Parts: sequence; structure tokens; C-alpha cells
Amino acid sequence: GAGVSQSPSNKVTEKGKDVELRCDPISGHTALYWYRQSLGQGLEFLIYFQGNSAPDKSGLPSDRFSAERTGGSVSTLTIQRTQQEDSAVYLCASSLVGLTAGDTQYFGPGTRLTVL
Amino acid sequence: GQQVMQIPQYQHVQEGEDFTTYCNSSTTLSNIQWYKQRPGGHPVFLIQLVKSGEVKKQKRLTFQFGEAKKNSSLHITATQTTDVGTYFCAGLSNFNKFYFGSGTKLNVKP
Repeated sequence: GAGVSQSPSNKVTEKGKDVELRCDPISGHTALYWYRQSLGQGLEFLIYFQGNSAPDKSGLPSDRFSAERTGGSVSTLTIQRTQQEDSAVYLCASSLVGLTAGDTQYFGPGTRLTVL
Repeated sequence: GQQVMQIPQYQHVQEGEDFTTYCNSSTTLSNIQWYKQRPGGHPVFLIQLVKSGEVKKQKRLTFQFGEAKKNSSLHITATQTTDVGTYFCAGLSNFNKFYFGSGTKLNVKP
């Protein structure tokens, strides 16, 4: 079956512009995660959706970042007024149940964002 | 706050040598997962450890979870060039927070 897909694969934008990144999770997966990975660095947790529960937004670095998940499936991460330090690879992952013991996260290929 | 620390940051080995990366948490973890990210790729799940003192093996890879469930290690015996990549641990805290370690980048010289 299809894995997690993300679009676009690459995005170049100018400082101050808004961007939207899309994630299509694996069908049937109730949990969805967004991470950010700067060049050569580890994974920084951004936000977590699980079913119909309120999302865990504790990792969002500022109020310029927001995310939504429509219909419990596709998710969009929006960055407003982008800044150069937002440049990174944004990774989406999904899992069958959520942050419980035994749940594996399946990662998408990521969106490489470059802010000029 | 909760942190999952991983060492070393980088490791360069000759093909055939062993490799170990260590993961340490400031608090007790419910479980710990290990992921591998090849250069230019995305993280791929390797294994999950849940029980105190658990040891699991996958061919040349040995994973351990500490007795106190605060640390873990991944050991690769007789590395091969296909082992190149960054290895991440990720721990689930008792408060349902998930933390990735900073990763250990492994380079294997043929």
C-alpha cells in the first residue's frame, strides 16, 4: 500500500511569504506528527494529532506556525511570514493508533523548505 | 525539561569494526524506539523496546533497554558500508511525550 506522502518535495520562498506544506498519511492511521529537521540535526517535534482529540501543539516554535488536519486524514502545516531560520526539512509521520506502547511511526519523504 | 541525549554525535569506523550509540533520558521512559536515516532519506523504524532490561537482536544489530528504563544502546557488530546513516533513538515518556535524540551519524570506510 501507499506510504506517507508529502508535497511539495521542495519549496523555495522569499522571506515574509506564507507557505503551506501538505501531508497525506497512510490510510487508516489515526495519528499524525509533524517534525522539523535542520541540516545535519536531529528531529524537532512540532505538533501531534490523534483522532478527534485536541492536537498537541507544544512543539510549535512560534505563533507563525499552525497546522490542521481535515477529516482526520490530510494535514497542512502553515508557516506565516517565513524567516530564514525556518529553512529546514519538514517531516510528516503517521501511526496506526498514537503515542502508545507498540506504535511505529512511518515517515514521509519530507518537504525541503528554503527561505531566501 | 525532558530530554533524550544521544552520544556520540559522529562515529567514523573502518568496515568490519564494531559501533555503539548510546541514548540517555533524564526521566523514565515507557518505551524506546530506534530509527535509521540514510543520507538524503527519511527516518525508518528499526525496533521498539518496552521491558526493563530488554535485549533484542536483528542480525548484526543488538538493542538494549536499561534496567531503569532511562537508557538504551544500539550495537552493530562488524559494520558494513550499508550501515552508513544516522541512528536516532526516540523515547516515550510517562506523560505521553515523544522525544527524539539528536542522532549519531555513522560513517563506514570500506
